[in-house]
Amino acid sequence: AQKITQTQPGMFVQEKEAVTLDCTYDTSDPSYGLFWYKQPSSGEMIFLIYQGSYDQQNATEGRYSLNFQKARKSANLVISASQLGDSAMYFCAMREALSGGYNKLIFGAGTRLAVHP
Amino acid sequence: DVKVTQSSRYLVKRTGEKVFLECVQDMDHENMFWYRQDPGLGLRLIYFSYDVKMKEKGDIPEGYSVSREKKERFSLILESASTNQTSMYLCASSLGTDLTTVPGSGANVLTFGAGSRLTVL
Repeated sequence: AQKITQTQPGMFVQEKEAVTLDCTYDTSDPSYGLFWYKQPSSGEMIFLIYQGSYDQQNATEGRYSLNFQKARKSANLVISASQLGDSAMYFCAMREALSGGYNKLIFGAGTRLAVHP
Repeated sequence: DVKVTQSSRYLVKRTGEKVFLECVQDMDHENMFWYRQDPGLGLRLIYFSYDVKMKEKGDIPEGYSVSREKKERFSLILESASTNQTSMYLCASSLGTDLTTVPGSGANVLTFGAGSRLTVL
């Protein structure tokens, strides 16, 4: 069965520094996708970044980048120049194929990030 | 922007009550999902629907049912609420079934509502 593992329940970082949130995955599918979502205290899940298994380059979206190491089955999120507004829960997710051409996302347990001034 | 609206942010119910959690999306998305979020467990899929009148069980469907009479509305039903159903419930929708995205666009990814926090006493 496919699985997403986030081993850091909590992290903290000083404002303006970079931080890496870890994510490892397990799948036997050759084609898959990896996602990161942010959940602030308001509760809404916000999509941050996506990496396809066949993408040659690491995905980047502004201050977010995904450090994709396929052989190690890891998809770590790197946030550069942390801001106070980055304090939130972060979830790593993977697309899992279902029958009939449909898909679903499976999620890790999440990492709570606190940015200190 | 896609809006996924969950009508109730906070609910408190009694054990045995029937509970309805409503979710409405306004961007003509075909696909809708209900997840449950618990500390240390992340999000787990309860039910999903890829078309009106269609529903499929997710990973933890026991104790829940769903209804999708109209494309924009996906309801989660707890027939007889129990204390172990105290949780945060998140509704999501997507345009495409492949759940991929074009860089920079966010197209086809899951878009979530703000969540409904249910307490069963």
